[in-house]
Amino acid sequence: EAQVTQNPRYLITVTGKKLTVTCSQNMNHEYMSWYRQDPGLGLRQIYYSMNVEVTDKGDVPEGYKVSRKEKRNFPLILESPSPNQTSLYFCASSSYIQPYEQYFGPGTRLTVT
Amino acid sequence: RKEVEQDPGPFNVPEGATVAFNCTYSNSASQSFFWYRQDCRKEPKLLMSVYSSGNEDGRFTAQLNRASQYISLLIRDSKLSDSATYLCVVDKAAGNKLTFGGGTRVLVKP
Repeated sequence: EAQVTQNPRYLITVTGKKLTVTCSQNMNHEYMSWYRQDPGLGLRQIYYSMNVEVTDKGDVPEGYKVSRKEKRNFPLILESPSPNQTSLYFCASSSYIQPYEQYFGPGTRLTVT
Repeated sequence: RKEVEQDPGPFNVPEGATVAFNCTYSNSASQSFFWYRQDCRKEPKLLMSVYSSGNEDGRFTAQLNRASQYISLLIRDSKLSDSATYLCVVDKAAGNKLTFGGGTRVLVKP
């Protein structure tokens, strides 16, 4: 089954404790990205990757890191989480073939206290 | 001004009725346009792409007006299962610079 998986689905952590949210896709997609969704602000892109070892900042990259060492994986790293990073996070992937449909993972609900 | 703007709603729609709503975008260089559907904090899923000539998929019709920089979505014969948030998505660069609108919430009631 074609899918994007994220782990963990729910996470409560404390300020400053490094964490990683994993994302994996099994569709051989070149393009992957991370979004955060906050009430009233919609989905905002954090980082994206156009292929292995190619990453770039989205609209809200501050406080986040990513890496793309393998085509299927695109982890999101929060080196020192802060309460303003409490949000719902989605990973997505797509190919470069039209209609460029984005396939989203199920989301990770992160709370930073 | 936001790059992609939508009326947040909610649009309360009687079952069987027609509902339509728009989305405006600010970047005239935008290349691709989409409607995604999102159910209650779940992941967004592609509903349909929006083509210049307008396109239809069952009860759903999407239109693009480049001159006025808006896209629209019309839902005919609304079903209870159409209750969701509809996200307008604009792509500036062939699949990798997506901007999402805040979403329009639709509630279909019996």
